[in-house]
Order: sequence, then structure tokens, then C-alpha cells
Amino acid sequence: DIQMTQSPSTLSPSVGDTVTITCRTSQSISNFLNWYQQKPGKAPNLLIYDASSLQSGVPSRFSGSGSGTDFTLTISSLQPEDFATYYCQESHTLPWTFGQGTKVEIK
Amino acid sequence: QIQLQESGPGLVKPSQTLSLTCAISGDSVSSSSAAWNWIRQSPSRGLEWLGRTYYRSKWYYDYAVSVKSRLTINPETSRNHFSLQLNSVSPDDTAVYYCASDRRPSSGGSLRFDSWGQGALVTVSS
Repeated sequence: DIQMTQSPSTLSPSVGDTVTITCRTSQSISNFLNWYQQKPGKAPNLLIYDASSLQSGVPSRFSGSGSGTDFTLTISSLQPEDFATYYCQESHTLPWTFGQGTKVEIK
Repeated sequence: QIQLQESGPGLVKPSQTLSLTCAISGDSVSSSSAAWNWIRQSPSRGLEWLGRTYYRSKWYYDYAVSVKSRLTINPETSRNHFSLQLNSVSPDDTAVYYCASDRRPSSGGSLRFDSWGQGALVTVSS
């Protein structure tokens, strides 16, 4: 299985900050990487697919980059509704695996 | 707009079978451009993909090795839903179980879980 390592595990930014979350994979996966946002008691919600493509309906302050083994999710000008947990997920090899999550909490 | 809805018992005894169904609205379980997945989430395991089914002239199934010997996913076209059956459960199977779709545009692209059910909490306890 491909191992996914997210960092940091927790972030405490302020509204308006730019936030960067990284995801590293145990082997090269080209651009087969997705990002999700999850709020308490809710299902994950797809933000970014294929490393950098914005899912329909997702605000443009969310962006993704990277290829190979290193990927980044950036949230520009953080909004109050962005405080949540974020997960990366590889779509290169079965079984599809997820990172352990990065919690973005209010400072 | 696709919607997915899980249903099933919230409490299962150890060694018994955990059964859930996922009702699909807004798409067809037999769609040739979709796959239908089960994913669970627990504090100890995080998000864990369990398996999927999809139709491409015939039905296909993929399962995670960790549950392959215990898991069955079945489509039911008459009801437009798909089900999960996990045998011989233990407390370690306690989790929120989600069904999720992987639907891609005609232009293709890689897997992504684009729609999710609200989740069903299943507790394994005597």
C-alpha cells in the first residue's frame, strides 16, 4: 500500500492568513492526488483532484500543486468556514489510501 | 444532483455480520461512468477505503486486502442501491461507514470520491 504522510497535523492560523498543508507519498504517484475537507459530523468533501484541478463549486482560494511524491494544498485568505480537517488521498494504486489529516483550528 | 444515503443497524454484536445499504438518487448504480465505494472512518484507522463495485458491460468488484476475506459488496439494480456485508466483526470494526461515488466526466480522469453519504455509525459491542 502507498503510505501517505501529511504535515503538520495541526495548524492554528488566523482569518485572512495563507495556509499550506503538505502531503508526501511513499512512492511516486504522478499527479494522482486528491484533497478533501471534512467538518465535524460531516462526510469529507472533494476540493482538489488530479493534484491541481479545482472541483466544481469549490472557492478559488483553494489550490493544489505537486507531482511525484510531494504535494501541497494552499488556502489563500483563510475564511471562518475553512476551519476543518483536510485529507489527501492517492488515486494511483489500489487500495486507495488517505493521509492522517491536518486539523486547521481557530487561533 | 446525486445523493447517497446509508442505512442499517447502528449496533452489531461481535462475530456477527454488519450489513449496510447505500441508496442512490440522481444517478444509476449501473452507470458505465461511475463506481460505487464503501469507506470507513475511525479514530484508530482514520479514513480507510474498503471496496467498490462498478458496471462496464459486466459487474466488477475490488476489495481492500485488509477486509477482502470478510467483505461483500453487491449492487441491486431494481432498487438502485448497493450494499456492504462485513462478516465476523470485532470491536475493531466500529466506525462511521460512508458510501461514496467516483464519477468522472466523459473526458476521463483519475479516481476521485465526488459525492458521499452522510455516514452511518456502526458500533460492534455485545
